[in-house]
Amino acid sequence: EAQVTQNPRYLITVTGKKLTVTCSQNMNHEYMSWYRQDPGLGLRQIYYSMNVEVTDKGDVPEGYKVSRKEKRNFPLILESPSPNQTSLYFCASSFDQETQYFGPGTRLLVL
Amino acid sequence: AQSVSQHNHHVILSEAASLELGCNYSYGGTVNLFWYVQYPGQHLQLLLKYFSGDPLVKGIKGFEAEFIKSKFSFNLRKPSVQWSDTAEYFCAVTPLSGGYNKLIFGAGTRLAVHP
Repeated sequence: EAQVTQNPRYLITVTGKKLTVTCSQNMNHEYMSWYRQDPGLGLRQIYYSMNVEVTDKGDVPEGYKVSRKEKRNFPLILESPSPNQTSLYFCASSFDQETQYFGPGTRLLVL
Repeated sequence: AQSVSQHNHHVILSEAASLELGCNYSYGGTVNLFWYVQYPGQHLQLLLKYFSGDPLVKGIKGFEAEFIKSKFSFNLRKPSVQWSDTAEYFCAVTPLSGGYNKLIFGAGTRLAVHP
């Protein structure tokens, strides 16, 4: 089954404790993105990747890092999480930049 | 900056009522247009999309949207809503710039349909 998976789905952590949210797709898509969803703001892009080892900042990259060492994986790294990074995070992938397929989301609470 | 505006943040309807959700974008060039739906507790799913051709596009579950280029609008419609349409709806736009084509989302509209 074609899908985008994210782990963990729910995470509670404390300020400053490094964490990684994994994202994996099995559709051989070149393009992958991370978004955060906040009430009243819709989805805002954090980072995107156009292929292996090619990543770039989206609209709200501060406090986040990504890597794309393999085509299928695109982890999101929070080196020192802060409470303002409490949000719902979505990973997405696409073949042609046209239609994006979204993962199930990761709900993060930073205390 | 490019942006997408959704006029209604919350909409409450009774079953069988007609639905129209507004969406406007700010970009003067060519765009791809999307409506995504997020059912409670679920991830985003594509409802419909417009790339070119007939400006009236039909999507899943009886939804349709009309692209009016002169108004920079892409409103979503459904003639008769059902309780199962309760969800959050996001309009999204990809300005086609020749490089990486970013997907820009509106803030979303929460639709509640009462039986």
